[in-house]
Amino acid sequence: DSGVTQTPKHLITATGQRVTLRCSPRSGDLSVYWYQQSLDQGLQFLIQYYNGEERAKGNILERFSAQQFPDLHSELNLSSLELGDSALYFCASSVQGRNSPLHFGNGTRLTVT
Amino acid sequence: QQPVQSPQAVILREGEDAVINCSSSKALYSVHWYRQKHGEAPVFLMILLKGGEQKGHEKISASFNEKKQQSSLYLTASQLSYSGTYFCGTEDNNNDMRFGAGTRLTVKP
Repeated sequence: DSGVTQTPKHLITATGQRVTLRCSPRSGDLSVYWYQQSLDQGLQFLIQYYNGEERAKGNILERFSAQQFPDLHSELNLSSLELGDSALYFCASSVQGRNSPLHFGNGTRLTVT
Repeated sequence: QQPVQSPQAVILREGEDAVINCSSSKALYSVHWYRQKHGEAPVFLMILLKGGEQKGHEKISASFNEKKQQSSLYLTASQLSYSGTYFCGTEDNNNDMRFGAGTRLTVKP
């Protein structure tokens, strides 16, 4: 158990809808990362937060947004969903956001029908 | 910028050795290695910081050549439990963590 909690585990929704994925980092970790993994593909970096502030942005679509709250949990919002958004979304946390290991949650599997 | 991993896939017999390579075109602060088994989350193996260090954990070790921005993961005397997809992750001055496309390792009895 990595100590990172992601909810929900599975999400099935229709095209055009909006969903929110939630992540609680390990106790003591200040940084949260979001990654998208399509079927049998690599990990695409979406966005990183450190202690409530956005630190780095990757290949995140404009339809997607995220934030990290004062209690350090994070949410990833996906809107106007398309079939191609179907993927496994991982959240990871680390102590300081640089030069420290990432600990991954078990992911949220999103299926857009 | 995403690092480049090679090879894409490796098939080994138990007891054989393997090397997985990772390279970047950017100056790196660190290189991470993770293993992901099918249907599971990636799990941290080791981190190598700028300075050309080499790390090891039992029969899995890695090196980081800072000048060439390259890292290699060495798996010796492979075991069935080593099967999975190995990802290298790199940190540069953009404050993000980018992963390579992964190397699928299969160890057969």
